[in-house]
Amino acid sequence: AQSVAQPEDQVNVAEGNPLTVKCTYSVSGNPYLFWYVQYPNRGLQFLLKYITGDNLVKGSYGFEAEFNKSQTSFHLKKPSALVSDSALYFCAVRDPASGGSYIPTFGRGTSLIVHP
Amino acid sequence: DSGVTQTPKHLITATGQRVTLRCSPRSGDLSVYWYQQSLDQGLQFLIQYYNGEERAKGNILERFSAQQFPDLHSELNLSSLELGDSALYFCASTGGANNEQFFGPGTRLTVL
Repeated sequence: AQSVAQPEDQVNVAEGNPLTVKCTYSVSGNPYLFWYVQYPNRGLQFLLKYITGDNLVKGSYGFEAEFNKSQTSFHLKKPSALVSDSALYFCAVRDPASGGSYIPTFGRGTSLIVHP
Repeated sequence: DSGVTQTPKHLITATGQRVTLRCSPRSGDLSVYWYQQSLDQGLQFLIQYYNGEERAKGNILERFSAQQFPDLHSELNLSSLELGDSALYFCASTGGANNEQFFGPGTRLTVL
């Protein structure tokens, strides 16, 4: 079974400061990990993914995420937050051993609020 | 723009009614996934179709059903609607190098 947890419902950060949105996961094998962003009244947009290789993954809009196998974490980061980054962020995990259905499990989402 | 289209954008109906939501995947994608997003339940996977066949089932109620047609568009049918069915319904298709999901803009269903 696969699961993902986003321990914070909301993260507040001042514009220009670094931001971190936390995600931890549980899978039986090596995980495929994803981050998505959802702006108000929009669908989820893919930000970045980790499949294998370098633990630091770079994605869209200046976001990056760090895979930490020992801590089973995949935290989303950005060095300098923008007000326009304010949105709902979802972490997702898929166990590649789950076969051909490719069903990821999504976290409950973290609302990021960047204050001017 | 993800390339996944959904209609209608908004739907307002009454309890006990039946509605149909429509989704067209990205060109070339064979899989369609349906999700329900509500404030209290988060993003819940409902059902997946692949090239016309049901592939996986999640937390889908018996009052809900779906199908995928030969042109690969999919419809989600919701019947005997209840107030609690009010939610955003998303469909997604998979593609890219590692099968990331591309989401449509969603249909907001309001049951009065």
